[in-house]
Amino acid sequence: KQEVTQIPAALSVPEGENLVLNCSFTDSAIYNLQWFRQDPGKGLTSLLLIQSSQREQTSGRLNASLDKSSGRSTLYIAASQPGDSATYLCAVRPSGGSNYKLTFGKGTLLTVNP
Amino acid sequence: NAGVTQTPKFRVLKTGQSMTLLCAQDMNHEYMYWYRQDPGMGLRLIHYSVGEGTTAKGEVPDGYNVSRLKKQNFLLGLESAAPSQTSVYFCASRTVGSRREAFFGQGTRLTVV
Repeated sequence: KQEVTQIPAALSVPEGENLVLNCSFTDSAIYNLQWFRQDPGKGLTSLLLIQSSQREQTSGRLNASLDKSSGRSTLYIAASQPGDSATYLCAVRPSGGSNYKLTFGKGTLLTVNP
Repeated sequence: NAGVTQTPKFRVLKTGQSMTLLCAQDMNHEYMYWYRQDPGMGLRLIHYSVGEGTTAKGEVPDGYNVSRLKKQNFLLGLESAAPSQTSVYFCASRTVGSRREAFFGQGTRLTVV
């Protein structure tokens, strides 16, 4: 059974700092991995999607990497801003017959202090 | 750019009451999902659908029923609500092609008293 772990559970940083959020998964047979952002009381917004054949994806100040063989992904946020404060979730989609479902980590709560 | 829209956004039910949550997507996606999100448990899949007229059970289907009569709509029903069903419910849909990216609605916060 796929398990997804996100460390740390919470992170507080001063504005302007570069930071890395970690996501690990136990089964490397994945189709893709998706990073989401969730603001308090809101839904999930897709940030980046990395296919299993890719090593990284970039969008603005965000860069996500994937090392499928070691079961790890990182989300790098450059020059953090207070508006980046949110919970960040990673989710993996398996390859093969269970491809219909996503397995989520429990998220990292990020606070960027002005 | 409506994407995935959930109705209602908030609801309070008494134990034993029934209700239906509506999810509508305008992206012509084949796959649709219902998740629940609980503190410390993360997101768990309740039911899903791979196309109009189809439904299937996810990880935590007990106490819920679903229907997909139209491609754009996915309904989640609670026949007899229980306090354990107090949660935030999310609907999602995804693309069918090679990208297979998931998109989520804004959620329905349900409290059962």
